Amino acid sequence: ETGVTQSPTHLIKTRGQQVTLRCSSQSGHNTVSWYQQALGQGPQFIFQYYREEENGRGNFPPRFSGLQFPNYSSELNVNALELDDSALYLCASSPRQGLGLGTEAFFGQGTRLTVV
Amino acid sequence: TQLLEQSPQFLSIQEGENLTVYCNSSSVFSSLQWYRQEPGEGPVLLVTVVTGGEVKKLKRLTFQFGDARKDSSLHITAAQPGDTGLYLCAGAPGNQFYFGTGTSLTVIP
Repeated sequence: ETGVTQSPTHLIKTRGQQVTLRCSSQSGHNTVSWYQQALGQGPQFIFQYYREEENGRGNFPPRFSGLQFPNYSSELNVNALELDDSALYLCASSPRQGLGLGTEAFFGQGTRLTVV
Repeated sequence: TQLLEQSPQFLSIQEGENLTVYCNSSSVFSSLQWYRQEPGEGPVLLVTVVTGGEVKKLKRLTFQFGDARKDSSLHITAAQPGDTGLYLCAGAPGNQFYFGTGTSLTVIP
């Protein structure tokens, strides 16, 4: 068990709705990253938060937004849901900004979002 | 175009066989990591390779980092059904952490 928890584990939403996914990072970790993973594919980087500031963003539209709180937990918000947003959303925490030499990312179990 | 390309994408083998999974990039990485992911779970870190040419062994799994630090391989000896899963390489050429395209391995008893 990594100590990273995500909620909810499963969620069904209707196209056009908004959704908020939550992540509690591992104790002592100040960096949280979010990923979208389609079935059978590698996770795609959405964005990273370091000490409550966005610190890097992948190729996702502005309707994907996030927050990091003073306790380093994080939220991923998606507005105007589309069918293609259906995926497993993963949160990863790490002990320091950036993921370069020797830094490990610890993942939660993910939230399975289905948009109908 | 993916930053990290893995091959093969799918692999189905009999228990006891050997296999190799490749992870290639045109970018140089200070380190690369390998993860294994089971259905419905998040990726779990297997190993981090740091030095060009480095070889690390984890029981029946052997990981190698290319001399130029642009590629890596994972070799599994005598595969077992418990090795079934999605294998992902990953690295951070800058401040962002990228995953490979993934290799889905099925080991048939």
